[in-house]
Amino acid sequence: QSALTQPASVSGSLGQSITISCTGTNSDVGGYNFVSWYQQHPGRAPKLMIHDVSNRPLGVSNRFSGSKSGNTASLTISGLQAEDEADYYCSSYTTSSTVEVFGSGTKVTVL
Amino acid sequence: EVQLVQSGAEVKKPGESLKISCKGSGYTFTTYWIGWVRQMPGKGLEWMAVMHPGHSDTRYSPSSQDQVTVSADKSTNTAYLQWRSLKASDTAMYYCARPANRSSWFGFDLWGQGTLVTVSS
Repeated sequence: QSALTQPASVSGSLGQSITISCTGTNSDVGGYNFVSWYQQHPGRAPKLMIHDVSNRPLGVSNRFSGSKSGNTASLTISGLQAEDEADYYCSSYTTSSTVEVFGSGTKVTVL
Repeated sequence: EVQLVQSGAEVKKPGESLKISCKGSGYTFTTYWIGWVRQMPGKGLEWMAVMHPGHSDTRYSPSSQDQVTVSADKSTNTAYLQWRSLKASDTAMYYCARPANRSSWFGFDLWGQGTLVTVSS
């Protein structure tokens, strides 16, 4: 199955807000609210930041928020901090294979 | 403490078989799905498969179907990912993960530390 499409890189200055997009189809992102976002620092396991489009797990900063419009989901990081520099992946349920698929990944750089 | 602990790094030759493990603790193992995610060197995350240890329902991605087998042992709270015949292209970090909610397999909020598998002649 094809990965969901994310920008390869996004950058922002300390304190700024950035948004990462995750584009799929109506067979995945657009058709279901099973979209998650993960943060991965080098050499570390991924960490769940958002599930079910916009729900934050306990312990995740409220600077992270998720949304969806049509076939595109978005992760917004507000008040960008140095520790936010990492790779970010979206994922979604997909009916094309009745499983789940990850996005291509976005490297976030804090300037 | 709720955690998933994976088996150690493996170095294998092409054609060899392998079974790596993921032991859950601190929660009722049979009530949550367990998923497996691959990350090839320098690459992104790939969703491979998910299994419910309680009722053995299993789903594979198209690219993992017929390449790997997932299983679980309820008596030891351990999930497994196995290969019958490894290829060099199986070289990757493999993570097991558990979803946030019992009712679905989406949104992995608990991850193992990863098992690095290296396949080389």
